[in-house]
Amino acid sequence: QSALTQPASVSGSPGQSITISCTGTNSDVGGYNYVSWYQQHPGKAPKLIIYEVSNRPSGVSNRFSGSKSGNTASLTISGLQAEDEADYYCGSYTSRSTLDFGTGTKVTVL
Amino acid sequence: EVQVLESGGGLVQPGGSLRLSCAASGFTFSHYAMTWVRQAPGKGLEWVSLLSGSGGDTYYADSVKGRFTISRDNSKNTLYLQMNSLRTEDTAVYYCAQVRGIWTFDYWGQGTLVTVSS
Repeated sequence: QSALTQPASVSGSPGQSITISCTGTNSDVGGYNYVSWYQQHPGKAPKLIIYEVSNRPSGVSNRFSGSKSGNTASLTISGLQAEDEADYYCGSYTSRSTLDFGTGTKVTVL
Repeated sequence: EVQVLESGGGLVQPGGSLRLSCAASGFTFSHYAMTWVRQAPGKGLEWVSLLSGSGGDTYYADSVKGRFTISRDNSKNTLYLQMNSLRTEDTAVYYCAQVRGIWTFDYWGQGTLVTVSS
């Protein structure tokens, strides 16, 4: 499996918006609308925050939104808050019937 | 409330075997596919294996194919991961998760640590 490409780190001030990209290929991100996003705080289990590109599970803040264009998916966090400081991973179903995760992005709230 | 709880981790020598368990509650276990995901110390997430609700369809990452076997006992609401021929690079926290829809991992356990070392 090849990991999807994410920026290693993204930062922003409280109240700002940030966007994390997740770049794959036609065999994963670009080929299916089965991209999900996970938030992981240090020492904790990952938590699903976006599924099928742009859907939010119940209980997840509407400050989190997802989109996709071609082979790149994106997660936007609006109104950045201190509690959003965490690692974020994208995941995509692939043509090999496997799941590739992204390389992970550390979000820092300045 | 949906809960999944992993157990069975520990220290094992290279070439050894270990079986992980994942006890589920709060949902109709047989209706959901389940998956294992691991995370090496200080590293990112790596998908390991996925099993359909009936147990009839299995999927594996190339890195574990032929060494790991995923299974489930729907009468006990439990998912398993049998790990053989373990390597030092298998050292990780292993998470199990309920699968929602198409390969979306919804409810995660807290993980169990597997350390492969001599």
